[in-house]
Amino acid sequence: DGGITQSPKYLFRKEGQNVTLSCEQNLNHDAMYWYRQDPGQGLRLIYYSQIVNDFQKGDIAEGYSVSREKKESFPLTVTSAQKNPTAFYLCASQGTSGSRGKDEQFFGPGTRLTVL
Amino acid sequence: GENVEQHPSTLSVQEGDSAVIKCTYSDSASNYFPWYKQELGKRPQLIIDIRSNVGEKKDQRIAVTLNKTAKHFSLHITETQPEDSAVYFCAASDSWGKFQFGAGTQVVVTP
Repeated sequence: DGGITQSPKYLFRKEGQNVTLSCEQNLNHDAMYWYRQDPGQGLRLIYYSQIVNDFQKGDIAEGYSVSREKKESFPLTVTSAQKNPTAFYLCASQGTSGSRGKDEQFFGPGTRLTVL
Repeated sequence: GENVEQHPSTLSVQEGDSAVIKCTYSDSASNYFPWYKQELGKRPQLIIDIRSNVGEKKDQRIAVTLNKTAKHFSLHITETQPEDSAVYFCAASDSWGKFQFGAGTQVVVTP
């Protein structure tokens, strides 16, 4: 299960505060992803980055921001503009296998964010 | 964009019986179809995957089938055991690598 880590495991935030979730990988993967998981709704894509210094919005980007200054790191900031931020947040990274193209996504252990 | 539907949302099976989960996708450009298993409070982990140039793939008690024409793929678990109890997600991906996940299936294996 090593290779991609997230911190903290649990995070509590007061309404109106921004908070940043950490995601680090040592798998030398170019692509990284942030998902939000709510009960019964599967995994919804927030932001993704295919390469350093570049990232794109996913399906539910409003109220979130990201940066990709280093290949190993893809932090997610949950801003006060996010209306319902309480959720389980999963980070993933993905490599490329030559002619086979993109490979499986490896997930971090997740961060459970609760807004008080 | 891609849309993936997954059924059923919950599945209860007797230990030793088989379980089948079905997914459909909308984008004919999708060419990679992984299945993930997520135990309670843990990260999703890949259990099997299939690419669009293959119709079926098997790994011990689990198998996946793909029908490109009908745009659907299925996960089959045989001889289910209590440790198979988890949430299972299907996904579809094109060559860019972005996944669209199904909503998940809660599988409960009863002794």
